[in-house]
Amino acid sequence: DSGVTQTPKHLITATGQRVTLRCSPRSGDLSVYWYQQSLDQGLQFLIQYYNGEERAKGNILERFSAQQFPDLHSELNLSSLELGDSALYFCASSVDIRPYEQYFGPGTRLTVT
Amino acid sequence: GQNIDQPTEMTATEGAIVQINCTYQTSGFNGLFWYQQHAGEAPTFLSYNVLDGLEEKGRFSSFLSRSKGYSYLLLKELQMKDSASYLCAVLNDYKLSFGAGTTVTVRA
Repeated sequence: DSGVTQTPKHLITATGQRVTLRCSPRSGDLSVYWYQQSLDQGLQFLIQYYNGEERAKGNILERFSAQQFPDLHSELNLSSLELGDSALYFCASSVDIRPYEQYFGPGTRLTVT
Repeated sequence: GQNIDQPTEMTATEGAIVQINCTYQTSGFNGLFWYQQHAGEAPTFLSYNVLDGLEEKGRFSSFLSRSKGYSYLLLKELQMKDSASYLCAVLNDYKLSFGAGTTVTVRA
């Protein structure tokens, strides 16, 4: 158990819908990262927040957005869902602003039908 | 852009040694990570190299040559539980870029 929690574990939804994935970092960690892992694209960095502020942006689509709240939990919002958005979404956290020894949560498996 | 290459699959026998190579061409470099990922599970951190040379951690070692854009992960005394995907990742500024992963199968 990494100490990072993610909900829900599984999510099945239809194309065009909007979903919210939630992540709670390890106690004391200020950075939260979101990753997408699909069979054809591998593991891809989406976005990082550090202490409530957006710190780095990767291959995140405009239909996706995220935020980190004052209690440091984070949410990833995915809208206008397409079949290709089906993937495992991981959240990770680290104490530092850089991703040294980041700890991954168990992931949310999103299926878009 | 980022280009990170590692072999797709490797098979080895229990008790043996396996070396997973990773080559990279990236626009910047702040370090190289190796992660282990069992099927359906989250990646777990194995090692981090920022300077050239070998870092040893128990049965696992990782090597880096920045001038050659090359790293390897060495797994010694292989155990069945080492069957997993091994991901090479390069840190550029604050962003991690991952290779596609090498699936290692350990046979009895």
